[in-house]
Amino acid sequence: GDSVTQMEGPVTLSEEAFLTINCTYTATGYPSLFWYVQYPGEGLQLLLKATKADDKGSNKGFEATYRKETTSFHLEKGSVQVSDSAVYFCASGGGYQKVTFGIGTKLQVIP
Amino acid sequence: GAVVSQHPSRVICKSGTSVKIECRSLDFQATTMFWYRQFPKKSLMLMATSNEGSKATYEQGVEKDKFLINHASLTLSTLTVTSAHPEDSSFYICSARAGDSGSYNEQFFGPGTRLTVL
Repeated sequence: GDSVTQMEGPVTLSEEAFLTINCTYTATGYPSLFWYVQYPGEGLQLLLKATKADDKGSNKGFEATYRKETTSFHLEKGSVQVSDSAVYFCASGGGYQKVTFGIGTKLQVIP
Repeated sequence: GAVVSQHPSRVICKSGTSVKIECRSLDFQATTMFWYRQFPKKSLMLMATSNEGSKATYEQGVEKDKFLINHASLTLSTLTVTSAHPEDSSFYICSARAGDSGSYNEQFFGPGTRLTVL
């Protein structure tokens, strides 16, 4: 079946550091890919998405590019802030397909 | 974007009681709703998929008599945890998808419901 693999973390960075959270997927066909963010005590919020190969999703300074050749969708941000501290979930599917989530990566940004 | 609400946001109940969680699509009609469960320090696991007016499809290992799902209208789905036990304590999240045959429609997630069974 479909699966999504991402680093479990936690990832601890200093403010203004560069962030990369790796995500790879296995799926039948060509799913949409997503990054969701979950702040402490809250539900999921869609951070960004890409629906086809080579698409780049971006939002709030975060970016991820749909790489079909490497089946990856790595999340990056050039300069993280304390307010970015949260759990980040990579996911595939959506629409008519169920969404398959990765395990979630906890990010902690320290001042 | 589309908004999905859940009620209640938090609930604490005694072991053996039943708890109902509502999921509503506020500004669109959701032909399909999904129920997920999030275990501590784990990812979200799909429990079931429900289509308006029909029986829910449960994922393998999910007890359909334990987790009753009703999708009675295009804007409301409910999850009832029957005879709850402490091991049912979890974070339950729903998502909703509008339906147009043949077109892609994004799933929108609710804020989640934290269930604690004493």
